[in-house]
Amino acid sequence: AIRMTQSPFSLSASVGDRVTITCWASQGISSYLAWYQQKPAKAPKLFIYYASSLQSGVPSRFSGSGSGTDYTLTISSLQPEDFATYYCQQYYSTPVTFGQGTRLEIK
Amino acid sequence: EVQLVESGGGLVQPGGSLRLSCAASGFTFSSYWMSWVRQAPGKGLEWVANIKQDGSEKYYVDSVKGRFTISRDNAKNSLYLQMNSLRAEDTAVYYCARGSGDYPLRYYFDYWGQGTLVTVSS
Repeated sequence: AIRMTQSPFSLSASVGDRVTITCWASQGISSYLAWYQQKPAKAPKLFIYYASSLQSGVPSRFSGSGSGTDYTLTISSLQPEDFATYYCQQYYSTPVTFGQGTRLEIK
Repeated sequence: EVQLVESGGGLVQPGGSLRLSCAASGFTFSSYWMSWVRQAPGKGLEWVANIKQDGSEKYYVDSVKGRFTISRDNAKNSLYLQMNSLRAEDTAVYYCARGSGDYPLRYYFDYWGQGTLVTVSS
């Protein structure tokens, strides 16, 4: 199975900050990479797919990039509703696998 | 509006069985791969199983192979997960999720249910 590693594990930031979360795959995944946001006691919500495609309804301050084994999620200007846990997921091969999550907290 | 509503979770003893259901609405259920994804308390997400549109292909994570069975009834717009020989480590919230993508077996999860909690404990 492809192993997904996120960094950092947790992050404290302020409203208005620019934030970047990184995700590494143990082998190339050809941009078959999705990002999800999860708030406490809620289901995950798809934010980005194919590494850089924004899901309908997701604010444009979110963006994704990367290729091969290295991918990033960037939030250009943090808003209060963005504080949550973010997961990356590869869907290049079965079993699909998730990163361990990055918890974004208010500083 | 796409909706996925899970049911069937609860408290079960180790070695016991449980059947989860997921009722789908707001889309053509028979056109999509469907999956179960779980999340142990305070932990990350783990894909459990998936099933092709017509039920002809099914895949499982190694830890549940031989114990869990995924199935679907397209006439009822429903997805199921039969869980046997349950272990403490199966304790988790189980989510039903719809798969989307343009390549066989390569799909992301664009809609999720609210989840149902399964607790395996004596």
